[in-house]
Amino acid sequence: GAGVSQSPRYKVAKRGQDVALRCDPISGHVSLFWYQQALGQGPEFLTYFQNEAQLDKSGLPSDRFFAERPEGSVSTLKIQRTQQEDSAVYLCASSSNGGAYSGETQYFGPGTRLLVL
Amino acid sequence: DQQVKQNSPSLSVQEGRISILNCDYTNSMFDYFLWYKKYPAEGPTFLISISSIKDKNEDGRFTVFLNKSAKHLSLHIVPSQPGDSAVYFCAASAMKYGGSQGNLIFGKGTKLSVKP
Repeated sequence: GAGVSQSPRYKVAKRGQDVALRCDPISGHVSLFWYQQALGQGPEFLTYFQNEAQLDKSGLPSDRFFAERPEGSVSTLKIQRTQQEDSAVYLCASSSNGGAYSGETQYFGPGTRLLVL
Repeated sequence: DQQVKQNSPSLSVQEGRISILNCDYTNSMFDYFLWYKKYPAEGPTFLISISSIKDKNEDGRFTVFLNKSAKHLSLHIVPSQPGDSAVYFCAASAMKYGGSQGNLIFGKGTKLSVKP
């Protein structure tokens, strides 16, 4: 498809369970971002990849959160030992990397809604 | 400490009139600003953007104004249509990662309702 896709769209997990969320960015996009959106809030940055390199993981809330993009395209966000506070919508965005100029639009996927019981 | 603020949680406008959504920011390093529109159960959809070297950008019914001295931007929609009813997010970013655009910082959103 032409846009960013994410799977699953919905995930219900029991507290303590591990989950894996997948993102397929727009073909050819170098940059990939993960965001977390809590109810009634704007998305908040989690981590950033440029190709397969994870250049920024400053937004990951704990060491239970792990992301990878081994071949520079599809990315997976993994949450270990899920907690109730992890319940949120997880958004993936990609952008083409035009180098040193201002203005690279990020295009978002539909998100994965995670509910931890 | 919110770097991007949308102080109006909601806005109601009559169809055909102008909708004005406002956004304030605190970080002077921000050099790129975007507006996204979000429907329930969907991801944010890019609407319009503006670079800090400009003060206005127009795309059809949508115009974004940037006032750098006031650290304020606004989105104007004219004429407003019922299909414009959605949550609108203001976002900002700065150059980072060796010259590429960094992560977006979002406001909390403004829910726009356009009444027929």
